[in-house]
Amino acid sequence: DTAVSQTPKYLVTQMGNDKSIKCEQNLGHDTMYWYKQDSKKFLKIMFSYNNKELIINETVPNRFSPKSPDKAHLNLHINSLELGDSAVYFCASSQWTDRTNEKLFFGSGTQLSVL
Amino acid sequence: KNQVEQSPQSLIILEGKNCTLQCNYTVSPFSNLRWYKQDTGRGPVSLTIMTFSENTKSNGRYTATLDADTKQSSLHITASQLSDSASYICVVTSPGGYSTLTFGKGTMLLVSP
Repeated sequence: DTAVSQTPKYLVTQMGNDKSIKCEQNLGHDTMYWYKQDSKKFLKIMFSYNNKELIINETVPNRFSPKSPDKAHLNLHINSLELGDSAVYFCASSQWTDRTNEKLFFGSGTQLSVL
Repeated sequence: KNQVEQSPQSLIILEGKNCTLQCNYTVSPFSNLRWYKQDTGRGPVSLTIMTFSENTKSNGRYTATLDADTKQSSLHITASQLSDSASYICVVTSPGGYSTLTFGKGTMLLVSP
C-alpha cells in the first residue's frame, strides 16, 4: 500500500540509450513532481503536473520528457542519456489546495547510473 | 540569491543523547520552513512545517524552532534512537508553491549504539 511508488529502483544503462522511469501515487493527490538529487545531495525540481497539466518546467534539457496519462501517474522519459544524468530521481505528489501547509510525499527514488 | 545552509554537515551521537541541527536561510519572500528526514535509499519524509507566525512545532521527539527575524531554524532531537540515523533536510518555501522550494544540503546524523 505504498503511497508513491516508482520503478525501477535502480537503472544502469549505457550513454546514448533511452530509458523511462514510472511513478504512481494512490493518495488521490492532484499534483505530481519529478525531482533530481545529485551527488551533492541537493534536491532540485524538474517538472510538476497538476491534473495532468504541466505547471512547472524548470531548466531541464529537452531530452527529459514527462508524461502524465492520468492524475495518479507521472512518468519520466529520458532520451540520449548522458553521464551527467547519473543521479537519484524522486517522484513526489501533493494536494494543491493548501499550498501553505501541503505536504510533499516522496517515492523511494530511482538511482540512475549512466556508464 | 536564495540559499539554505545547514550545519553541521554530519554528526555522530550516542543513542539516548539529544542533538540540535541548525538551518540558516536567505530566502525571501518567506512562506514556510519545513524539515524532512531522508533515510538512506528512501525519499524524504516530512517532519514539520512552520509558517511565519509559528516559532516552535513538535512531532514526537522532534522539535523544530523558527526565528523569522534572524532567518534561523533548528531541529532538536530528544533521546535519540538508532532509527534516527538519516539525513535531515531543511527546506524553505516562498509564496507560489513548489516551484519556489529551496532545499538545504542536509545534515547526516548517525546515532551510534
